Amino acid sequence: QSALTQPRSVSGSPGQSVTISCTGTSSDVGGYNYVSWYQQHPGKAPKLMIYDVSKRPSGVPDRFSGSKSGNTASLTISGLQAEDEADYYCCSYAGSHTWVFGGGTKVTVL
Amino acid sequence: EVQLLESGGGLVQPGGSLRLSCAASGFTFSNSAMRWVRQAPGKGLEWVSTISESGGSTYYADSVKGRFTISRDTSKNTLYLQVNSLRAEDTAIYYCTKASGYRFDYWGQGTLVTVSS
Repeated sequence: QSALTQPRSVSGSPGQSVTISCTGTSSDVGGYNYVSWYQQHPGKAPKLMIYDVSKRPSGVPDRFSGSKSGNTASLTISGLQAEDEADYYCCSYAGSHTWVFGGGTKVTVL
Repeated sequence: EVQLLESGGGLVQPGGSLRLSCAASGFTFSNSAMRWVRQAPGKGLEWVSTISESGGSTYYADSVKGRFTISRDTSKNTLYLQVNSLRAEDTAIYYCTKASGYRFDYWGQGTLVTVSS
């Protein structure tokens, strides 16, 4: 099972929007509406930000949104804030009780 | 408040074994599937294993199949991962996660396993 493909880094100024892509195949991202996104600050555990492509857990700001088209999922952070600077990982169900993660994207707030 | 506290990591020689533990609290442990995820130093996340609510079903990534065993003790609200035949590439932080549907909704702080001679 190959890792999902994410850009290594994206950046934006405070208040701007950034979008992180996550490309897989028809066997994972394209085959199921079970993409989730995780935020990880340095030295900390990952935190769930988006699940089932576009749903937000309680407590996650609504400036975080998710979508999917074909084999590519996306996470958009609108109104970028300093505390959003972190690594972000996508994850997709890949069938047969297996999951695959992306390689991670570092978001830098300029 | 959901809390997951891992322990059992450490330095082990290639071919060695460890048993990782995860003490769970703040939710009904017996009603939740659980998963282990690992992260090699400076690298991304990798799903390792899943155990069903009852413990009757277990699943493994190909990279650990036959070497790792996931289990749970509902009476102790504890999740385990027995890791055998360790290789250098198993060096990672191992995170215990609570499963909810197809997501990993709570994560512990992780326990570091270092495989080196």
